[in-house]
Amino acid sequence: GNSVTQMEGPVTLSEEAFLTINCTYTATGYPSLFWYVQYPGEGLQLLLKATKADDKGSNKGFEATYRKETTSFHLEKGSVQVSDSAVYFCALTAGTGYALNFGKGTSLLVTP
Amino acid sequence: GAGVSQSPSNKVTEKGKDVELRCDPISGHTALYWYRQSLGQGLEFLIYFQGNSAPDKSGLPSDRFSAERTGGSVSTLTIQRTQQEDSAVYLCASSPGGSFLNTGELFFGEGSRLTVL
Repeated sequence: GNSVTQMEGPVTLSEEAFLTINCTYTATGYPSLFWYVQYPGEGLQLLLKATKADDKGSNKGFEATYRKETTSFHLEKGSVQVSDSAVYFCALTAGTGYALNFGKGTSLLVTP
Repeated sequence: GAGVSQSPSNKVTEKGKDVELRCDPISGHTALYWYRQSLGQGLEFLIYFQGNSAPDKSGLPSDRFSAERTGGSVSTLTIQRTQQEDSAVYLCASSPGGSFLNTGELFFGEGSRLTVL
């Protein structure tokens, strides 16, 4: 079946630190990959996506590259801000399934 | 507002009672999804609607769970004879087209937090 595995949180970083949140996946076919973010008190929203191997998704200074050889889609940001504190979800959809399969989420706290 | 609206935002109920959760999607969005978010469990897919029909209800955890959508708009998720393990945040999302594969973007509501005592 299709599944996503994310690194356990919470992750605590100081402002301006480098961020990596690991995500690996298992899927049949050729999945599309996504990162969603849930800010405190808000609904989930799409952060970035990649629809084929070697694609790089980017938004708000965040990046993730679709690596088929390692079945990974790690989220990175060069310099985090306090406002990046949120829960980050890796997700995929593959084949003819309608559902977006989410990971368990990684909580990020950025301190001043 | 223009976003996905869910009600109630919080619901506390006693074990064995029935509950109804409502989702009002973004106007014009034909696809609607229900997910469940439990502590430490991530997001669990429950059911997908395209218009008023549900081509994928594979995620409903038991026959106590049902959902309907009327007029291609509002959806209601009903949980009968609630159990403590049903306690979770129930999220609704919508997307514009028949399949979100083209954009991958689901628009989520803020959820309904259900607590079963």
